[in-house]
Amino acid sequence: EAGVAQSPRYKIIEKRQSVAFWCNPISGHATLYWYQQILGQGPKLLIQFQNNGVVDDSQLPKDRFSAERLKGVDSTLKIQPAKLEDSAVYLCASSLGSREGRTSSYNEQFFGPGTRLTVL
Amino acid sequence: GENVEQHPSTLSVQEGDSAVIKCTYSDSASNYFPWYKQELGKGPQLIIDIRSNVGEKKDQRIAVTLNKTAKHFSLHITETQPEDSAVYFCAASRGYGGSQGNLIFGKGTKLSVKP
Repeated sequence: EAGVAQSPRYKIIEKRQSVAFWCNPISGHATLYWYQQILGQGPKLLIQFQNNGVVDDSQLPKDRFSAERLKGVDSTLKIQPAKLEDSAVYLCASSLGSREGRTSSYNEQFFGPGTRLTVL
Repeated sequence: GENVEQHPSTLSVQEGDSAVIKCTYSDSASNYFPWYKQELGKGPQLIIDIRSNVGEKKDQRIAVTLNKTAKHFSLHITETQPEDSAVYFCAASRGYGGSQGNLIFGKGTKLSVKP
């Protein structure tokens, strides 16, 4: 089974520029997550989608970050304009779903390799 | 909101020794506690998880224990091997279903296993 795909793997931009990341989840996975992982820290959830609807975006800095999952499959995360503190690895994860009472395997999150963003 | 503290931040052991990583959480409503292993240049991978109705769970050389009263849980790796070297993250959530399933991660432990 193919895993979660992300591109690009690396991106270097200058502050105030824009950048976009792409994620293709595991086939059939309804739930998609974007995380930000700053060096030396654990991943922090930015946004969660269930199919093409947003479940939780409370941690997303909406003045500069946006994300969409128009057809309920692929997703893009955009930063505009970027700041120095946005330098991090952006991880995408997917799961079959996110539902109470289901087995662990149903809710298990599978992570992609991430995109390492450097803002100069 | 939930806060997860993880210790130690780095851990070095000899091959064959045991390694223990400890986490504490603040939200008494949390009931799901997974552990992830992250190798260099890769995303985190789930290695074991435990729910609050269980005190201990074991999978070969890996075990997790949970003390709900004290709000802490631990990862135990026995007979460590060089390929166990990685960064390990603990996480906690209130369970599944919408945003309740959102994971709060600790800051990670870098485990080095010396041959």
